Amino acid sequence: KAGVTQTPRYLIKTRGQQVTLSCSPISGHRSVSWYQQTPGQGLQFLFEYFSETQRNKGNFPGRFSGRQFSNSRSEMNVSTLELGDSALYLCASRPTGTGQETQYFGPGTRLLVL
Amino acid sequence: AQSVTQPDIHITVSEGASLELRCNYSYGATPYLFWYVQSPGQGLQLLLKYFSGDTLVQGIKGFEAEFKRSQSSFNLRKPSVHWSDAAEYFCAVGAKEYGNKLVFGAGTILRVKS
Repeated sequence: KAGVTQTPRYLIKTRGQQVTLSCSPISGHRSVSWYQQTPGQGLQFLFEYFSETQRNKGNFPGRFSGRQFSNSRSEMNVSTLELGDSALYLCASRPTGTGQETQYFGPGTRLLVL
Repeated sequence: AQSVTQPDIHITVSEGASLELRCNYSYGATPYLFWYVQSPGQGLQLLLKYFSGDTLVQGIKGFEAEFKRSQSSFNLRKPSVHWSDAAEYFCAVGAKEYGNKLVFGAGTILRVKS
């Protein structure tokens, strides 16, 4: 099976712009989670989607949003970018997101905000 | 609040020496535990996981970890380190009671000297 894929891998934006990141989960996986990784804050949970519904949300401002499509692919959107949004954004998938399941991570999208 | 502590930011070991990376967690629920490894510019690769049962778990690349409930620890070990093990290692904890999101430690950077 192909792993989790994320596009684009690298992105440069300027403050005030918005950005959309994409994640395709492992085939058959219906839960997709997003994490932000920065040197200062480490790895932090953004949100999780399952069956096109947001099921869990981390402590991030409303500028961070996401959605999931019927094929389980997910997108994450950040509006009004700030310098502090520069980070590696990781997507992870798992079969159902309930109980004891392993999250499998993609390679990430590295976002640089200038 | 849930938290994961990896007390060692950097560890340097000689190739062929043994390795132990520490992880302590604070959780108000029955946790399940993971160790992931990240090479520069890459996503997270699962090394091993503990859900229940035998408290000594084996993973890939010759790694093992032991869950000690009384000490709230899940330390990662390897008997003989290879130069290719140089990377950053993350301990992560999840629980059904918290929506199965993962809470990560700050990571430990492993350097291997020849």
